Amino acid sequence: NAGVTQTPKFRILKIGQSMTLQCAQDMNHNYMYWYRQDPGMGLKLIYYSVGAGITDKGEVPNGYNVSRSTTEDFPLRLELAAPSQTSVYFCASSSPRGNDEQYFGPGTRLTVT
Amino acid sequence: AQTVTQSQPEMSVQEAETVTLSCTYDTSESDYYLFWYKQPPSRQMILVIRQEAYKQQNATENRFSVNFQKAAKSFSLKISDSQLGDAAMYFCAYRSADSNYQLIWGAGTKLIIKP
Repeated sequence: NAGVTQTPKFRILKIGQSMTLQCAQDMNHNYMYWYRQDPGMGLKLIYYSVGAGITDKGEVPNGYNVSRSTTEDFPLRLELAAPSQTSVYFCASSSPRGNDEQYFGPGTRLTVT
Repeated sequence: AQTVTQSQPEMSVQEAETVTLSCTYDTSESDYYLFWYKQPPSRQMILVIRQEAYKQQNATENRFSVNFQKAAKSFSLKISDSQLGDAAMYFCAYRSADSNYQLIWGAGTKLIIKP
């Protein structure tokens, strides 16, 4: 199993540009999450999904959108990038039938200038 | 709202020694879960240990153990026989038993291992 994969690993965006961060998992997990990690801080939940077709906002959803058309994929869309969105983004997944451990991807470092 | 506080931004320990990382949390709930995650320089977040609040017995995983004090709302991580590979950021996290998604994270403690 590859676990949770994320692309790209690094990206630089100009203010106002848009992009999609890709996330995929091959563990057949129902639950998927997007977090952001700012320097010197813990993670903050952006969006989460409990299954295909179901998404909901987390703590810091403004400026982002998600979709979940399949169990495996959970892309995060940034519209009109702003410097405040400079951060490291982590995707994670978990199974409610398991021990609820969240498995994380390697992260995407995004800089908006 | 629940909060998680890690008061030690950085800790250092001599290789083979023992170190304890502190974590306190604030909640009005009685049923919840607590976690310690490790984030090495590779950035990959890895679960170290997990504690259910209804269990009085402290969780242990090989060289890692916790001191869970429910009344004091304290959840410290003890690392015994520290190894160079333990060098990382360590994050404490809280999850309500009513939620299977919302992890509340502390700001992290950077652990340095001195050879």
